[in-house]
Amino acid sequence: EADIYQTPRYLVIGTGKKITLECSQTMGHDKMYWYQQDPGMELHLIHYSYGVNSTEKGDLSSESTVSRIRTEHFPLTLESARPSHTSQYLCASRGDLGQTSYEQYFGPGTRLTVT
Amino acid sequence: GENVEQHPSTLSVQEGDSAVIKCTYSDSASNYFPWYKQELGKRPQLIIDIRSNVGEKKDQRIAVTLNKTAKHFSLHITETQPEDSAVYFCAASTKAAGNKLTFGGGTRVLVKP
Repeated sequence: EADIYQTPRYLVIGTGKKITLECSQTMGHDKMYWYQQDPGMELHLIHYSYGVNSTEKGDLSSESTVSRIRTEHFPLTLESARPSHTSQYLCASRGDLGQTSYEQYFGPGTRLTVT
Repeated sequence: GENVEQHPSTLSVQEGDSAVIKCTYSDSASNYFPWYKQELGKRPQLIIDIRSNVGEKKDQRIAVTLNKTAKHFSLHITETQPEDSAVYFCAASTKAAGNKLTFGGGTRVLVKP
């Protein structure tokens, strides 16, 4: 079934550790996004990509990096986790105008806690 | 860039009453306006969207209206039910910004039985 997947769903990690949050979609979408969201609060765009080898920083300053080597895969990496990174991270993907669906789909999220 | 303001931030309604959430946007070139519903602990999901060539769209108990001149759009939920309790987000996008969605701050809706 076409969907967008995120792993891990929950992660508790110590300060200073390097972590990678995985995001994969099977919908063939070119556009992918990473958002940071405290529960029930605003969605803050931190990174996005329009296709393979395309990455851009979003509206919220972030100490994370992303890569887009394959269309379906858009991992987010934190080189050195800090307690201020504690939040939920949502991955999303979207089709283009003219495709059957222009809807932006969200993954289930990764809830990160940095101790 | 685009700026989307959403009001109110919280809304409490009695079951069966209507709920209205309003959003304004700044970029007159915005052409796509989706609304997302996020239930507690779940991902945001699209509930309705409207494009700039349409003034109103309805899907059962929910409807969205768009006023391009005033640059605002609204979500209307009629005959509210407890399962409508959630956080709702509006968004806008423009082709010039690569169709990147700019979200409003969200409205927490509580439907009291």
